[in-house]
Amino acid sequence: GQNIDQPTEMTATEGAIVQINCTYQTSGFNGLFWYQQHAGEAPTFLSYNVLDGLEEKGRFSSFLSRSKGYSYLLLKELQMKDSASYLCAVLDSNYQLIWGAGTKLIIKP
Amino acid sequence: DADVTQTPRNRITKTGKRIMLECSQTKGHDRMYWYRQDPGLGLRLIYYSFDVKDINKGEISDGYSVSRQAQAKFSLSLESAIPNQTALYFCATSDGRRDTGELFFGEGSRLTVL
Repeated sequence: GQNIDQPTEMTATEGAIVQINCTYQTSGFNGLFWYQQHAGEAPTFLSYNVLDGLEEKGRFSSFLSRSKGYSYLLLKELQMKDSASYLCAVLDSNYQLIWGAGTKLIIKP
Repeated sequence: DADVTQTPRNRITKTGKRIMLECSQTKGHDRMYWYRQDPGLGLRLIYYSFDVKDINKGEISDGYSVSRQAQAKFSLSLESAIPNQTALYFCATSDGRRDTGELFFGEGSRLTVL
């Protein structure tokens, strides 16, 4: 079966750095996505990785290792507004998105 | 105005009632999707449509039906609602020409079935 694992919840301090990991086992791979979802709101797109390596976009970076079935989202200079759930999703061989359950990130002052 | 609009945003209904959730979009995308989200679970695909004449079942289509009335409109129906269909429902669109899979979500419809 297809599976995406990410931690249920993480806590970090304002101004610090946090890394949210995602491991996946899917039938084929056509890219990995990270979305941010604030409580009660819609998910919004953060990043897309299809090749190995690091993609940097401002305070957020996303890394992919296809051979390890592994990705992480790195958030720097954390702000209170970064408190949200972060969803990892993989586009499989049929171009269907397989979603992880999400990681709830709590930022403390 | 939001690019992807869902109505209603909140609905409380009783077991056995028929419910329709509507979605309209102004992004000009061909592909539209209906997902449900439950606490502790990932987003699960109910139905998707790649154009007006194309309707496909997702992983959890039982108990649901859809209608793609136009490129911009995709509605989800629960013919006879049951309590375990209580969830947050999202409509989403994507631009199939890019094939990157990036989705644009509506604001969600929270459905409670008593």
